[in-house]
Amino acid sequence: QVQLVESGGGVVQPGRSLRLSCAASGFTFSNHGMHWVRQAPGKGLEWVALIWYDGSNKYYVDSVKGRFTISRDNSKNTLYLEMNSLRPEDTAVYYCARDWEMSTRGLQHWGQGTLVTVSS
Amino acid sequence: QSALTQPASVSGSPGQSITISCTGTSSDVGGYKYVSWYQQHTGKAPKLMIYDVSNRPSGVSNRFSGSKSGNTASLTISGLQAEDEAEYYCSSYTSSGRYVFGTGTKVIVL
Repeated sequence: QVQLVESGGGVVQPGRSLRLSCAASGFTFSNHGMHWVRQAPGKGLEWVALIWYDGSNKYYVDSVKGRFTISRDNSKNTLYLEMNSLRPEDTAVYYCARDWEMSTRGLQHWGQGTLVTVSS
Repeated sequence: QSALTQPASVSGSPGQSITISCTGTSSDVGGYKYVSWYQQHTGKAPKLMIYDVSNRPSGVSNRFSGSKSGNTASLTISGLQAEDEAEYYCSSYTSSGRYVFGTGTKVIVL
């Protein structure tokens, strides 16, 4: 069955960096686009980034553009989110999610999330 | 890239039907068939309930249905049950290649 397991969250000071990982199993990782979505405490879902199945295209929400980088290693079945210049407003649970096969249609399967807290 | 507009809450009694709206623009909801709906119970990860406007993934109850008219998509839950009490979010593909979520709707079972 599809499994997505996020890791790398924690407490970090403003201005510092953090890298999140999402280990995928139970499907052919290289055939699927992958997303990051975040949810601030008590708030709604916010889409953050998308990388196509082959890594050829990447998209970001405006609020993280230039600070966050989405990437993937298809040989390791792992998705990453490199977060730089972190701000308190980046505090959230970060979810990785799988898109449909060989296309982008939405977020089909979700991980359980990892909490990132940006605070001094 | 504004969030899609959903009502803050919708309530109904067990057995009743409720409908949640999701209003966007011609650059997102109105322009594409890639509208999805997600259910999120408190403290849990979201779960896909509807994709491509009106399709149900396997394992999702047929009490859940989706539709779209113009720039507004809708999720209908029929035969409301206590377990349906949760937060519901719509999402849509957009003309910029990005995605956007709705503001979220709390479903309350009276």
